[in-house]
Amino acid sequence: ETGVTQTPRHLVMGMTNKKSLKCEQHLGHNAMYWYKQSAKKPLELMFVYNFKEQTENNSVPSRFSPECPNSSHLFLHLHTLQPEDSALYLCASSRSGTANSPLHFGNGTRLTVT
Amino acid sequence: GENVEQHPSTLSVQEGDSAVIKCTYSDSASNYFPWYKQELGKGPQLIIDIRSNVGEKKDQRIAVTLNKTAKHFSLHITETQPEDSAVYFCAALNAGGTSYGKLTFGQGTILTVHP
Repeated sequence: ETGVTQTPRHLVMGMTNKKSLKCEQHLGHNAMYWYKQSAKKPLELMFVYNFKEQTENNSVPSRFSPECPNSSHLFLHLHTLQPEDSALYLCASSRSGTANSPLHFGNGTRLTVT
Repeated sequence: GENVEQHPSTLSVQEGDSAVIKCTYSDSASNYFPWYKQELGKGPQLIIDIRSNVGEKKDQRIAVTLNKTAKHFSLHITETQPEDSAVYFCAALNAGGTSYGKLTFGQGTILTVHP
C-alpha cells in the first residue's frame, strides 16, 4: 500500500476515445504530480499541482488535460491520443510543493493507444 | 536545465555481492539527490536521499555518496539479496528554486541479483 491509488491499472483506448485517469492520495499531502514513464526513457514530469493550483505544465500537448478538484484527488483527461502516448502514467504526491519533499508514487496506469 | 546520466543501464550480481550504481549531474546548483527503486508492476519508491551538505548517508545495507566537486553521486548496496532485483533511478533537484517536484531522473539501472 503506497498511500497513492491510481485507477484504472490498465487502459486500452482508440485514438478517438475520451478517457480519464484517476489518482487519490491518503497521505495528507498538498502537492500532486503526473509523470509519464516510457520504455528506455527517463521519467518525464507532466504537471504539478500545489494546493490545487497548477504550478507546472512541462510543455504537455493539449490532448492531456489535468484536473485537481482538491488536494487529495488528481485526474488526467485524455482525448484524441496518439500511439506514441502509450506509456505508464504515474501519479505522485508530496507533503508540500517545496522542492525537496520526497515524492510518493502510485503504481501507475498502463495506457495503450491503438 | 539539469541533465542526469546514470550508469550502468543493467547490472547483474551474485547474491551477497555488492552493487554500485553511479550518476552524474550537470547543474552545480542541484542540492537534493534521491534514489528510487521500482519493482515490476509498481511505482518508484524512495529508498534513500542525500542533500548537498553531507557527503555520505547510510541506511542498513544501502548507502549513497555525493561528490559535489565532481558532480556525481552513487548508490551502494551491500550483501545483495534476490529481492533487491528491480530498476533503480537516481534524480537531482535544485531545492532552492521554485521548481516544485521538478526532479530530473536518470535513465534507470536494471539490477538483477542471482541466488
